[in-house]
Amino acid sequence: NAGVMQNPRHLVRRRGQEARLRCSPMKGHSHVYWYRQLPEEGLKFMVYLQKENIIDESGMPKERFSAEFPKEGPSILRIQQVVRGDSAAYFCASSPPTGTGVNYGYTFGSGTRLTVV
Amino acid sequence: SQKIEQNSEALNIQEGKTATLTCNYTNYSPAYLQWYRQDPGRGPVFLLLIRENEKEKRKERLKVTFDTTLKQSLFHITASQPADSATYLCALAQSTGNQFYFGTGTSLTVIP
Repeated sequence: NAGVMQNPRHLVRRRGQEARLRCSPMKGHSHVYWYRQLPEEGLKFMVYLQKENIIDESGMPKERFSAEFPKEGPSILRIQQVVRGDSAAYFCASSPPTGTGVNYGYTFGSGTRLTVV
Repeated sequence: SQKIEQNSEALNIQEGKTATLTCNYTNYSPAYLQWYRQDPGRGPVFLLLIRENEKEKRKERLKVTFDTTLKQSLFHITASQPADSATYLCALAQSTGNQFYFGTGTSLTVIP
């Protein structure tokens, strides 16, 4: 039973390029959360999705960032026209359909480390 | 938004001793408080969850307390081992929210 799978593990992009980060939740989990971890800062919530629905995107920057969780396939976090300040570790977490992550433990992936040069 | 403070300095303890980590918060009292372990280059791993109406939770060598009056949670690791060396994160959430607010973590080193 594989855990939460994220890829790529490391991603290097030049300023202005697009970054696509993928997350496959644990088997049986239908809730996906994206968090960002900047150096020396805590994890910051970005977005909460269920299949084909964005439930809460209150933590997403208003521009350049988008997320989706299609009926088939992984959840995608997309960052357009990346800037140096986007360099961070991006973590995906999932939780089962019987409860949200706040009242169950999240299962996190190993993260994607984005470096913008 | 919630402000969360964890021991800002790294904690070094001798193997076999009890490690105690603190998590203090301001503003509203959370409905749920969780503790995670994070190793370098890895994602956080869930350890324990405690609810606002619970004062204490235990799991093997781990114990979490939750004092809503002091706005503080304590995380204890008894009989600590070098393998317990990691960064420990606390995270808080409201009952109506979808997100956790994470602290910056406390780095623990258990010295053999």
